[in-house]
Amino acid sequence: GAVVSQHPSWVICKSGTSVKIECRSLDFQATTMFWYRQFPKQSLMLMATSNEGSKATYEQGVEKDKFLINHASLTLSTLTVTSAHPEDSSFYICSAPSRVETQYFGPGTRLLVL
Amino acid sequence: GESVGLHLPTLSVQEGDNSIINCAYSNSASDYFIWYKQESGKGPQFIIDIRSNMDKRQGQRVTVLLNKTVKHLSLQIAATQPGDSAVYFCAESSYGNNRLAFGKGNQVVVIP
Repeated sequence: GAVVSQHPSWVICKSGTSVKIECRSLDFQATTMFWYRQFPKQSLMLMATSNEGSKATYEQGVEKDKFLINHASLTLSTLTVTSAHPEDSSFYICSAPSRVETQYFGPGTRLLVL
Repeated sequence: GESVGLHLPTLSVQEGDNSIINCAYSNSASDYFIWYKQESGKGPQFIIDIRSNMDKRQGQRVTVLLNKTVKHLSLQIAATQPGDSAVYFCAESSYGNNRLAFGKGNQVVVIP
């Protein structure tokens, strides 16, 4: 099956710093990727749709200046959490469809902001 | 995001028994539904999907049932194994639109 990777798998940072998370589709190209956030014991919440060659589409309530998304190529999307604060601590997961309707998820990145 | 509390509904099942996990979806316009399995600290893993023109679909040890009248989806796991212990999420979308809306999740604990 298709593989989606994320890097790093976990990160600890100080409050006020920025953190970049990468999402790569390893064996297929993806013009669209999705970023989710998941708090403990809760479901996945879609944050934004990353579009190759154009601006990301953010879900209602998600600050685009806070969560910067760049879809640099057909196999890479990055999410940058700017000026991170403790409330941004969460599990961030990306996904990419390899064909219509079949989405593959990355392993997730756990962010802890001190 | 909306808080759904700190406790997931939990199903404890004896190894070898069948499991049934339920999900109520919200959007009557959704026509594509997927079940995912998520193990602790990992991303969701695709289990099985179903389109709205079907009411049942079977995979290996799993069956998904769709009742559009009451907007209800269920996942049946036959002969549950310890490796089935995980959180299970249903997700809905419209065909051709890859944006997924996830349900609240159900924790399955398999007792050896």
